[in-house]
Amino acid sequence: ELKVEQNPLFLSMQEGKNYTIYCNYSTTSDRLYWYRQDPGKSLESLFVLLSNGAVKQEGRLMASLDTKARLSTLHITAAVHDLSATYFCAVTGTASKLTFGTGTRLQVTL
Amino acid sequence: EAQVTQNPRYLITVTGKKLTVTCSQNMNHEYMSWYRQDPGLGLRQIYYSMNVEVTDKGDVPEGYKVSRKEKRNFPLILESPSPNQTSLYFCASSLWMNTEAFFGQGTRLTVV
Repeated sequence: ELKVEQNPLFLSMQEGKNYTIYCNYSTTSDRLYWYRQDPGKSLESLFVLLSNGAVKQEGRLMASLDTKARLSTLHITAAVHDLSATYFCAVTGTASKLTFGTGTRLQVTL
Repeated sequence: EAQVTQNPRYLITVTGKKLTVTCSQNMNHEYMSWYRQDPGLGLRQIYYSMNVEVTDKGDVPEGYKVSRKEKRNFPLILESPSPNQTSLYFCASSLWMNTEAFFGQGTRLTVV
């Protein structure tokens, strides 16, 4: 059974600082997704990572995938308040459904 | 516009009163699923459907039913809701089981 763990579960950081959210998964997977959820809202797709070494960037967020280590990271550069949200990673294999991590709640303070 | 539409957005009901939450997608996706989201537990899959008339249990199916009579629609049925089904529910669709999922706006259900 595929298990997905995110660390940390909660992150409070100051504006302008850098930080990384980690997503570990337990079995071989060939696709990994990152989603963002604002409070009380739906999930919005951020990144799709399809191969080992894949790196995607959008604004202050950069996601990477290391399939050998079964690890994905979401790096936040120079955080701003607008990035405050909950971030989920989701992992799937060739013939398996998406399995979500428990989420990382990010709070960016002034 | 490509979207997944859920209704209602908010619902307060009493224990035992049957209810249906509708979900519709306009992307011609094969795969649809229902999740519930509870604090500290992330998203847990309730039921999924790989195509018309093909449905299967997810991780937490007890107390729920679904149907897939048309490709675009995937309603969630609670025959006899109980307070432990109070939660935030999301419908999602994707081209296949392991491709990017698109989520509806969510339905906040309270069962008293």
